[in-house]
Amino acid sequence: KAGVTQTPRYLIKTRGQQVTLSCSPISGHRSVSWYQQTPGQGLQFLFEYFSETQRNKGNFPGRFSGRQFSNSRSEMNVSTLELGDSALYLCASSLEQQARADTQYFGPGTRLTVL
Amino acid sequence: AQKVTQAQTEISVVEKEDVTLDCVYETRDTTYYLFWYKQPPSGELVFLIRRNSFDEQNEISGRYSWNFQKSTSSFNFTITASQVVDSAVYFCALSEAQEDTGRRALTFGSGTRLQVQP
Repeated sequence: KAGVTQTPRYLIKTRGQQVTLSCSPISGHRSVSWYQQTPGQGLQFLFEYFSETQRNKGNFPGRFSGRQFSNSRSEMNVSTLELGDSALYLCASSLEQQARADTQYFGPGTRLTVL
Repeated sequence: AQKVTQAQTEISVVEKEDVTLDCVYETRDTTYYLFWYKQPPSGELVFLIRRNSFDEQNEISGRYSWNFQKSTSSFNFTITASQVVDSAVYFCALSEAQEDTGRRALTFGSGTRLQVQP
C-alpha cells in the first residue's frame, strides 16, 4: 500500500505570496493532519481534517488554512507569506477506526523556503 | 497542557554500542498515547511504536526496546548494538484528547539527534 504523498517536495516563494501544498493520505485513511517543523519551534500541530471538516486547530494565525476533499486528499494554504513561514510542512494520515488509538503516518514533507 | 521533554539534544556513539534515548512527558489525562518516530535525513517521520497509558509492559522489537514507566512519566527508547543506519533524529510524542473537540493532536518533544559512527 502506498504511503502518504506530498507535493511539491520543494518550493521557493517570496514574501507576500501565497502557497498551496497538497497531501494524499494512505488509501482508506480518513483523517489528515498537518504539522510545521522549524529549527526554532520544532514540530507543531497546524490542523486536522476529517470528512472534509476541520476538526482541530493549533495555534497558528488565520493565514494558515486548509481543506479536505471527498477522497480524503487535503491541501493547506498559506497566504501573505512571511520569512518565518520557511519550514518543513508534514502531512500525516490516520485510519480512524478507533479514534483514541490512531497512529499517524507521515509523508516526506514539503520544504518551503520564503525569500 | 501536555508537554514532552527530550533532554538529550545530540548523542554520538560508536557502532555496536547500546544507546538509550530519554523521554519525559506531562499530561493531565488518564488516557493517553505515547509514540516514537524516527526522522532520517530525508525528512519523513517514520513510526516506530505506540503505547497506551494502560499498558506498562515493556516492548522489544529486534534491536529496539521501550521502557514505559508511569510512576516517573517516562517512555525511554533503547537501541541495542547500534548501527550506522540508526543515525537519525528521534522524536517522542504524546497524544491526548482535546477538550473541545475530543480530537487528538500529537505533541512532540524537541528530538534527539543520534549519530552512530562506524
